[in-house]
Amino acid sequence: QQQVKQSPQSLIVQKGGIPIINCAYENTAFDYFPWYQQFPGKGPALLIAIRPDVSEKKEGRFTISFNKSAKQFSLHIMDSQPGDSATYFCAANSGTYKYIFGTGTRLKVLA
Amino acid sequence: NAGVTQTPKFQVLKTGQSMTLQCAQDMNHNSMYWYRQDPGMGLRLIYYSASEGTTDKGEVPNGYNVSRLNKREFSLRLESAAPSQTSVYFCASSEANGQNGYTFGSGTRLTVV
Repeated sequence: QQQVKQSPQSLIVQKGGIPIINCAYENTAFDYFPWYQQFPGKGPALLIAIRPDVSEKKEGRFTISFNKSAKQFSLHIMDSQPGDSATYFCAANSGTYKYIFGTGTRLKVLA
Repeated sequence: NAGVTQTPKFQVLKTGQSMTLQCAQDMNHNSMYWYRQDPGMGLRLIYYSASEGTTDKGEVPNGYNVSRLNKREFSLRLESAAPSQTSVYFCASSEANGQNGYTFGSGTRLTVV
């Protein structure tokens, strides 16, 4: 019940495409859902986050869609660029100190 | 503003050797964490410190010990390194109660031979 299942494991898109990364959870106590972006050799960096009182959040080209009834949330990257090539992690938190992370999606955007 | 600083960046150990990974944050965060990252496993919590003076086990604490030296510093010690501890280790910090996400360091790549 503590898991966050992330898919796909890897993704290749053409420049300008819209990659979509999905996460699913079971614990209904989760109330904060961040996405992290990690470039090779670097630590993960907070990209965008959502709370379950809204169904969508946009920051620049990045959008989180949240489906509370299905217990799923997804990251969409509009007009993807080669510089977006990175590993993306979803995570969930229930108001405690600990986050549960997905296993990561390696995204490659072709020029 | 440096954020979270980890040292060293790379380390090779022989089985049975010990070492301490250092972490310091300058954001006045109350909580600090140690994670390990392995291919296909995502990020797994080793230990965390909710506030200065407290530490608690995470998901994979065996073979590790931690010290919250002060509000800024949180170290991770491997007493007798094993090949299974070959990984990339990340330190992170957050505001109290973990809300608003973590700030991660740049990682320590550890190889145990």
